[in-house]
Amino acid sequence: EDQVTQSPEALRLQEGESSSLNCSYTVSGLRGLFWYRQDPGKGPEFLFTLYSAGEEKEKERLKATLTKKESFLHITAPKPEDSATYLCAVRAMNYGGSQGNLIFGKGTKLSVKP
Amino acid sequence: DGGITQSPKYLFRKEGQNVTLSCEQNLNHDAMYWYRQDPGQGLRLIYYSQIVNDFQKGDIAEGYSVSREKKESFPLTVTSAQKNPTAFYLCASSIVGRLYGYTFGSGTRLTVV
Repeated sequence: EDQVTQSPEALRLQEGESSSLNCSYTVSGLRGLFWYRQDPGKGPEFLFTLYSAGEEKEKERLKATLTKKESFLHITAPKPEDSATYLCAVRAMNYGGSQGNLIFGKGTKLSVKP
Repeated sequence: DGGITQSPKYLFRKEGQNVTLSCEQNLNHDAMYWYRQDPGQGLRLIYYSQIVNDFQKGDIAEGYSVSREKKESFPLTVTSAQKNPTAFYLCASSIVGRLYGYTFGSGTRLTVV
């Protein structure tokens, strides 16, 4: 069964304390892994797409990496404004329709204290 | 600017009542999706549509209905058969045939009163 698991469920950091969020997946035929940021009461906002193992993407204090079984979202020197829920999703070849729909993890809620 | 508009932002439903959530996009995307989000549950797919006048059930379609009469619009009706409708509902769209992610609307919070 196609599955996406994110850990930890919640993470509390002090401002400037770097850390990583994990997204592990078991899918048949990965066609892309996506990271989103979601603020309370709002829709998810796209961050990164990764397509193949070894690929890395960066945006400000965030860096996403991908292996054959998992992805990491590294947060370097986080600030309070980085506080949000971070969602991971994968597009699996056989999940829904010809292009494959996204399968979402439950998210990691990040809190950064000043 | 292009985007997805969901309305209303907040919606209250009485027991036994049907309600319709609106989703409109001007991104010229072919595919549209409805998700339900509950605390600790993540996003669960309700319905999706990849072309006008065609749609498919997702993982939790029972108690919901949709229509896709126009490319830009994909309304979701929460029927009285949905026994636990209180949740945050998200609409999304994407390009078919390319490996892009989804663009999401800002969501509708539905509460049963």
